[in-house]
Amino acid sequence: GENVEQHPSTLSVQEGDSAVIKCTYSDSASNYFPWYKQELGKRPQLIIDIRSNVGEKKDQRIAVTLNKTAKHFSLHITETQPEDSAVYFCAASIDYGGSQGNLIFGKGTKLSVKP
Amino acid sequence: NAGVMQNPRHLVRRRGQEARLRCSPMKGHSHVYWYRQLPEEGLKFMVYLQKENIIDESGMPKERFSAEFPKEGPSILRIQQVVRGDSAAYFCASSPRGGFYGYTFGSGTRLTVV
Repeated sequence: GENVEQHPSTLSVQEGDSAVIKCTYSDSASNYFPWYKQELGKRPQLIIDIRSNVGEKKDQRIAVTLNKTAKHFSLHITETQPEDSAVYFCAASIDYGGSQGNLIFGKGTKLSVKP
Repeated sequence: NAGVMQNPRHLVRRRGQEARLRCSPMKGHSHVYWYRQLPEEGLKFMVYLQKENIIDESGMPKERFSAEFPKEGPSILRIQQVVRGDSAAYFCASSPRGGFYGYTFGSGTRLTVV
């Protein structure tokens, strides 16, 4: 089955700097890659996702890149702010025509943004 | 739209008791997923259900755990004869068409076994 590795497990940056989190996956059939943000004691929330027919996607300060050949994808956060501090999870799934696809998650990256 | 509703938010059980966790998906969502999150760890897939069907239970322990999603009513995750190792946050997520379209998570049930 699919296996998702995520690095680093912790990341500390200064406010205003960029943060990059990287994930690799094992199943070349995976074609959907979402990222979730989880604040302490709260639910994971989808912040951005990318599908295998796209190499990069941006949404304001957040961007995700996908390299299908190398089977890795990354989350980039620019101009970080203290409210970006949270645990970020990457995930991968396979769409078999829309009826399947439980997400397999990485172990998470705890991002701390220091003011 | 009320979102994915889970209850209870916190559940305390003594070893050997049963725990029942409920999840009502978002309106219009027919796919439900249960995940377990241990402290300081990621989300581990347990089971994927559609109405009246278990699609994938490959992540669920073979003993003591069961899940259902009846035609009417919420999805239920049942843990029989709980042990301390079952203490975790259990998140339910729903999706309109499977994981490819992203999940919406509920707020979770935090189970503590004493």
